Amino acid sequence: GENVEQHPSTLSVQEGDSAVIKCTYSDSASNYFPWYKQELGKRPQLIIDIRSNVGEKKDQRIAVTLNKTAKHFSLHITETQPEDSAVYFCAAKADSWGKLQFGAGTQVVVTP
Amino acid sequence: EAGVVQSPRYKIIEKKQPVAFWCNPISGHNTLYWYLQNLGQGPELLIRYENEEAVDDSQLPKDRFSAERLKGVDSTLKIQPAELGDSAVYLCASSPGGANTGELFFGEGSRLTVL
Repeated sequence: GENVEQHPSTLSVQEGDSAVIKCTYSDSASNYFPWYKQELGKRPQLIIDIRSNVGEKKDQRIAVTLNKTAKHFSLHITETQPEDSAVYFCAAKADSWGKLQFGAGTQVVVTP
Repeated sequence: EAGVVQSPRYKIIEKKQPVAFWCNPISGHNTLYWYLQNLGQGPELLIRYENEEAVDDSQLPKDRFSAERLKGVDSTLKIQPAELGDSAVYLCASSPGGANTGELFFGEGSRLTVL
């Protein structure tokens, strides 16, 4: 089955700096890669996703890049703000009906 | 539009006791998921329903866990008997279903503590 590894497990950044979270996956058939944000005590919520037919996708201050050859994808947050503090999960799925496999999460702390 | 609703939000029980969690998905969402989230970990799929049919329950510990989704809407996840290691957050999620399913909509979760 699919195995997703996520690094780092914790990330502390100064407000205004950029944050980068990296994930690798094992199943070359994976074609859908979402990122979820989970604030303390809250539900995970989708913030951005990418499919295997594109290499990069942006939405305001967040962007995701995908390298299918190397089987890794990354989340980039620019101009970080205190409200970006949360746990971020990457995930991968092999096909439309496959199981979504989550990474272990990255705790991001943005200090003013 | 109401999101995914779960209850109870918190449950504390002693080991060997039974417990049940309830989930009401977003109206019109045919696919329903139960996930287990241990502290500091990502969600792990327990079971996935397409309407009332369980299409993926390979990760559900069937000796003590059971789930049902009668009429293809609400769902219940039961643990009997509960063990100390079952302490976790049980997340329910739903999606519209069909081909190219993308975003999962999660509920707030049910936090179980087994003493």
